[in-house]
Amino acid sequence: QVQLQQWGAGLLKPSETLSLTCAVYGGSFSGYYWSWIRQPPGKGLEWIGEINHSGTTNYNPSLKSRVTISVDTSKNQFSLKLSSVTAADTAVYYCARLITDTANYYGMDVWGQGTTVTVSS
Amino acid sequence: EIVLTQSPATLSLFPGERATLSCRASQSVSSYLAWYQQKPGQAPRLLIYDASNRATGVPARFSGSGSGTDFTLTIDSLEPEDFAVYYCQQRSDWPPYTFGQGTKLEIK
Repeated sequence: QVQLQQWGAGLLKPSETLSLTCAVYGGSFSGYYWSWIRQPPGKGLEWIGEINHSGTTNYNPSLKSRVTISVDTSKNQFSLKLSSVTAADTAVYYCARLITDTANYYGMDVWGQGTTVTVSS
Repeated sequence: EIVLTQSPATLSLFPGERATLSCRASQSVSSYLAWYQQKPGQAPRLLIYDASNRATGVPARFSGSGSGTDFTLTIDSLEPEDFAVYYCQQRSDWPPYTFGQGTKLEIK
């Protein structure tokens, strides 16, 4: 059974760079897209971006200038960097596996446990 | 960017009743729509994909329908563990994938 385990710094100061990593255990890394999603306190879900095993990325246009998602296939891990954070970036950040092809959308079926990131001076 | 609007914002029902949750897209998303359940302090859980297919392990009381711009998540005979927040999400026109704002299903 596939599991995602994520980690990273939970407290940042404004202007610093958020850095999170998600490791994939118990399943194949290739053939899927791997996403980052965030949820501000008491609010809904916002998709940040995704990457596949080849390193192809897609980003939310609203965050694109500050986001970098990378992959390390040797470790079955993918990472998120979000630069120049502000209080508005305070949220729970999730990693997730996304399954899709040209004809179907199978959803985000496996999620990490979430990492709470707080931006405060 | 496709906007998903969920209604109602809050739905208050008794256990055993049927819940009907709506998700409307600002433009057609074909059937590229998923539904998620989220309980407090937990990650979202995939319930429905491709508008009407139950994900692995999801009870048969959950069903999804619709295509184009109008979608419905139905929960027959509510169980106590079904009271949670539900989100719809599209992948028809991305990036970005977008989520609805959520419907909170609460016990009456």
